[in-house]
Amino acid sequence: DQQVKQNSPSLSVQEGRISILNCDYTNSMFDYFLWYKKYPAEGPTFLISISSIKDKNEDGRFTVFLNKSAKHLSLHIVPSQPGDSAVYFCAARTQGGSEKLVFGKGTKLTVNP
Amino acid sequence: GAGVSQSPSNKVTEKGKDVELRCDPISGHTALYWYRQSLGQGLEFLIYFQGNSAPDKSGLPSDRFSAERTGGSVSTLTIQRTQQEDSAVYLCASSFLAGGADTQYFGPGTRLTVL
Repeated sequence: DQQVKQNSPSLSVQEGRISILNCDYTNSMFDYFLWYKKYPAEGPTFLISISSIKDKNEDGRFTVFLNKSAKHLSLHIVPSQPGDSAVYFCAARTQGGSEKLVFGKGTKLTVNP
Repeated sequence: GAGVSQSPSNKVTEKGKDVELRCDPISGHTALYWYRQSLGQGLEFLIYFQGNSAPDKSGLPSDRFSAERTGGSVSTLTIQRTQQEDSAVYLCASSFLAGGADTQYFGPGTRLTVL
C-alpha cells in the first residue's frame, strides 16, 4: 500500500513558467513533509519542507503548499529554470514514530530553454 | 565540509554471493539511515540507527539483510545470498539529530546489480 503517491511520473515546462508538482498521501499520522531533488548518479538533496501545522512554506523560487483535509501537497517552482530539471521526490514522516521517511516514486521535471 | 560518502559506487555480483556496502556519514551526525531505490520506485526505508539506541530494523525486507554501525560512525549494510530482486541503488543518509525537523543528507548511493 503506497502511502505517498506522486501520480505524475513526468512533467515538462518552459523556462520562466511555473512548475507545479503534486503529491498525495493516505496516512493521517504524517506530521512533516519534505521535497527532495535528485540528479542522475547523485543522492537526493533536501529542497524544502513543511510541518503539518502550516499550510504554506516559501523559500526563494520554491513554495510548498499543504492541504491537510485533502491530504495533498504541492511544490511550486517559479520561475522555472533549466537547472531545475531533475527528479523530485515527495516524502513524509510519521508523528511520534521512527524518523524514517516514506517517499513517493518521484516526478521527473524537465524545464525546456 | 565533506558530505555522506558511500562505497563502492557500483557493485556487480552473482546470485548467491554476499555483499557489503559501506556508508561514512557526515562527522558529528548521530542518526544514520539506509534506504534503497529499485527501478521505477521511490526510496524504501531499510534501517535507522540513532546513537546507542537499538536500531529500527522494520524496513529490512528479509533476514538476508543486516546492518551495523561501528563506533557511532561508519555503517555497513550486508546482504547475504544475494538475489536478483536485490538489485537496486542503496542510499545512506545521516542527520545531526533525530526528531524534529532535522534534515537527512544523502550519499550518492551504491548501485548493486545481481546477475
